[in-house]
Amino acid sequence: DSGVTQTPKHLITATGQRVTLRCSPRSGDLSVYWYQQSLDQGLQFLIQYYNGEERAKGNILERFSAQQFPDLHSELNLSSLELGDSALYFCASSARTSGMEETQYFGPGTRLLVL
Amino acid sequence: GQSLEQPSEVTAVEGAIVQINCTYQTSGFYGLSWYQQHDGGAPTFLSYNALDGLEETGRFSSFLSRSDSYGYLLLQELQMKDSASYFCAVNSGGYQKVTFGIGTKLQVIP
Repeated sequence: DSGVTQTPKHLITATGQRVTLRCSPRSGDLSVYWYQQSLDQGLQFLIQYYNGEERAKGNILERFSAQQFPDLHSELNLSSLELGDSALYFCASSARTSGMEETQYFGPGTRLLVL
Repeated sequence: GQSLEQPSEVTAVEGAIVQINCTYQTSGFYGLSWYQQHDGGAPTFLSYNALDGLEETGRFSSFLSRSDSYGYLLLQELQMKDSASYFCAVNSGGYQKVTFGIGTKLQVIP
């Protein structure tokens, strides 16, 4: 158990809909990362937050948005869903945002299926 | 931008040694990490190299050559439970952006 929690574990929805994925980082970790992993694909970095502020952006679509709240939990919002958005979405947290070694601790993921 | 290359699949025999290579191109390099992911599971951290050389943790070792933009993960005394995907990841940039490779699927056979 990494200490990172994600809800829900599974989500089935229809094209055109909007969903919200939630992540609670490990106690004390200030950085939250979101990744998308499609079938047999690597981890695609979407976005990073540090202490409530956006710090880095990867290949995140304009239909997707995220935020980190004062209690440090984060939400990833996916809208106008398409079939290709079906994937595993991981959240990871870490203690630091810059400098030295930064181990990321991954949550169990949310499996999204768009029908 | 950043790019990483690693083999897509490797097969090795139980009890043997296997090396998974990773080459990268990036700016503002901080270090190279390795993660393990079993099917359906979450990635878990294995090791991190910021300086040239070999880091050993039990049966797993990781190597980095910054001048060659190259690293590898060495798994010794392979066990069936080591069958998983192994990702190298580059930490770079002022805010520690982490870019993952496509992953190497390791199959350990009896």
